Amino acid sequence: NAGVTQTPKFQVLKTGQSMTLQCAQDMNHNSMYWYRQDPGMGLRLIYYSASEGTTDKGEVPNGYNVSRLNKREFSLRLESAAPSQTSVYFCASTLERGLSHEQYFGPGTRLTVT
Amino acid sequence: QQPVQSPQAVILREGEDAVINCSSSKALYSVHWYRQKHGEAPVFLMILLKGGEQKGHDKISASFNEKKQQSSLYLTASQLSYSGTYFCGTEMDSSYKLIFGSGTRLLVRP
Repeated sequence: NAGVTQTPKFQVLKTGQSMTLQCAQDMNHNSMYWYRQDPGMGLRLIYYSASEGTTDKGEVPNGYNVSRLNKREFSLRLESAAPSQTSVYFCASTLERGLSHEQYFGPGTRLTVT
Repeated sequence: QQPVQSPQAVILREGEDAVINCSSSKALYSVHWYRQKHGEAPVFLMILLKGGEQKGHDKISASFNEKKQQSSLYLTASQLSYSGTYFCGTEMDSSYKLIFGSGTRLLVRP
C-alpha cells in the first residue's frame, strides 16, 4: 500500500515549456486534490476532483489544467510554464469515513521555472 | 476567505504548552488540523465538525467554536517531535474542499 505517489520529485522547466505532474493513489479514495505551496506559505488549492469524471476549480486554477484519468489517477498540466509557477506541488486524496474526511498527501513535486 | 492563524510563530522549551488559533470570517462546516515538518508533506492531525466538540490526539487536542467560527489547537507538555508548521484547513460545506491558513511555525527546544 503505497498511499499517494507523485512523479517527478523534482523538475526544472524553462519559461514556456509544458509538463504534466502525475499523481496516483491506491487507497480507493473518491476525492483527489492538487495544491501548490510557495516558500513559507500555506497550501493553495488549484483543482480538485470529487469523483471519477468530475473536476472543479479551486483558489488558483489559472495556468493549469487537470485530468481525472480514472479513480486512481489525477494529473496536473502546465501548458506554458511561467516563473510564477515555481512552487512545491502536492497531490492529496480523501478518505471518506462517515463524517470524517482526512486528506492524505503525496511527497510533493518541486518545480522550478527559469 | 482564507482563515487567519495566530500566532505566526512560537518557540517553546520542551514541556511547555502552546495554543494555536484559527479564525474564519465565514460560517464553517468543519476545521482540519495538519502538521508539516520541513521538506515533508502535511500530515493529518484531527478534524472537528460543527457542534463544538473537542478532540484529542495524544497530548494534542483541539476545540471548535462554531458560533465564533474559531478553532484552537492545544499542545500540552510539548515534545521535540512537535516542531513543525501547523496548518488549519477550513471547510464551508460538506464538499471536502479545504482552504488552508498560512500556518504557525512551532519550534520546541530542549
